[in-house]
Amino acid sequence: EAGVTQFPSHSVIEKGQTVTLRCDPISGHDNLYWYRRVMGKEIKFLLHFVKESKQDESGMPNNRFLAERTGGTYSTLKVQPAELEDSGVYFCASSHPQGTTGTQYFGPGTRLLVL
Amino acid sequence: GQNIDQPTEMTATEGAIVQINCTYQTSGFNGLFWYQQHAGEAPTFLSYNVLDGLEEKGRFSSFLSRSKGYSYLLLKELQMKDSASYLCAVSRYGGATNKLIFGTGTLLAVQP
Repeated sequence: EAGVTQFPSHSVIEKGQTVTLRCDPISGHDNLYWYRRVMGKEIKFLLHFVKESKQDESGMPNNRFLAERTGGTYSTLKVQPAELEDSGVYFCASSHPQGTTGTQYFGPGTRLLVL
Repeated sequence: GQNIDQPTEMTATEGAIVQINCTYQTSGFNGLFWYQQHAGEAPTFLSYNVLDGLEEKGRFSSFLSRSKGYSYLLLKELQMKDSASYLCAVSRYGGATNKLIFGTGTLLAVQP
C-alpha cells in the first residue's frame, strides 16, 4: 500500500511569489492534516480536512495560506504571496476515518525556502 | 496552555538500552504518540498510548502516566540504524479534530 506522498520535495522561491504544495493521502483515508516545521521549532498543526470539508483550520498562520481538498482525495496548500517566514518543512498526514484516535501517517514533507 | 518537553539530544552505545522521556501539559488529552524521524524522511509511527501503563512492541516500548503527564520511549538492543530524531506528540481532541501537539524531538545518536 502506498504511503502519503507529497510534491514537490523541495521548492525555492522568491519573496512575493506563489507556491502550491500537493499531498496525496493513503487511499481510503478521509482525514488529511497539514503541519509545518519552521527551523529550530516543533512541528505545528495547520489544518484538518475530513473528506473535502475543513474541520479545523485554527493553525493556519494568516490569509496568505489557502488549503483545498476538492473531491476529498488529494489536497493542495497554496501560499500567496510567500514571505521569508514561510520557509520550513510542510508535512501532510492522513488517518483512517474510523474512531477518533486514528494514527496519523506522515508524508516526507516539502522543504520550502523563501528567499 | 500546551507544552511538550523532551530532551534535545541523547547519545547511547550500540547494544545498550536508552529511555527518552516526555512530559506534557495539555487539555483534551486523547493519547500520546511516538514517532521516529530520520533526516529528510517522513515521521514514522512507533507507538500509541492512551491508557496508563507500558506498551511493548519488539525492541520498542512506550509508557504513559496520565496523572503525571509523563511518557517515555524505551529502546532496547540499540542498533546504529536507530540513530534518528524521536518525536513525542500528544493527540488533543477538540471539536471533531485530533490534532497532534509535538515536542521539538530528541536527536538520538547511537555510537559503536
